[in-house]
Amino acid sequence: GQQVMQIPQYQHVQEGEDFTTYCNSSTTLSNIQWYKQRPGGHPVFLIQLVKSGEVKKQKRLTFQFGEAKKNSSLHITATQTTDVGTYFCAGRPRGSAGNMLTFGGGTRLMVKP
Amino acid sequence: NAGVTQTPKFRVLKTGQSMTLLCAQDMNHEYMYWYRQDPGMGLRLIHYSVGEGTTAKGEVPDGYNVSRLKKQNFLLGLESAAPSQTSVYFCASSYSGGGYSNQPQHFGDGTRLSIL
Repeated sequence: GQQVMQIPQYQHVQEGEDFTTYCNSSTTLSNIQWYKQRPGGHPVFLIQLVKSGEVKKQKRLTFQFGEAKKNSSLHITATQTTDVGTYFCAGRPRGSAGNMLTFGGGTRLMVKP
Repeated sequence: NAGVTQTPKFRVLKTGQSMTLLCAQDMNHEYMYWYRQDPGMGLRLIHYSVGEGTTAKGEVPDGYNVSRLKKQNFLLGLESAAPSQTSVYFCASSYSGGGYSNQPQHFGDGTRLSIL
């Protein structure tokens, strides 16, 4: 079945440093979504990428979808303590129906003030 | 507007006991999902439903049953709890997807379940 891998599993950064998490799928995706889960909270939808090579920005967050639609990345510029949490990517295999997603294992970001 | 509500928030069970987790959504979403979250393994889909009266198996369905008698409710049952089912359980809901695009999934606050 489809597998979605994320690296790194954990990342400690100093406040103000940049952060990147990478997501790789074993199969081509129709789209990819990103979610953020604060400690003790639930996943919250951030964004969806659909087109090959697509890049979207939300303030300090930049999301990319690979040309082959098998990988994606999330880059945070100048991290803040409010960025702390676990970031998940989730993708739907190309050709599959419905709204089902396969989630990656997540990258836990810790920010030192 | 409550969104997705899960009850209970915490529960401790003994091996072999049964229980039902309740999920309710007030957004008129067609799709509902049950996930379990274990450290380092992300969210794994247990069962899902694409509409009232329909359910389907996800990635890790063994040991669980579900029912969706009403559009707004999705129940997850453990008939005979095992320690391997200790986890955080999340319910989510969404509108139906279509084409190349998916609909965002809206999650509840989770149920932390420990089985001794």
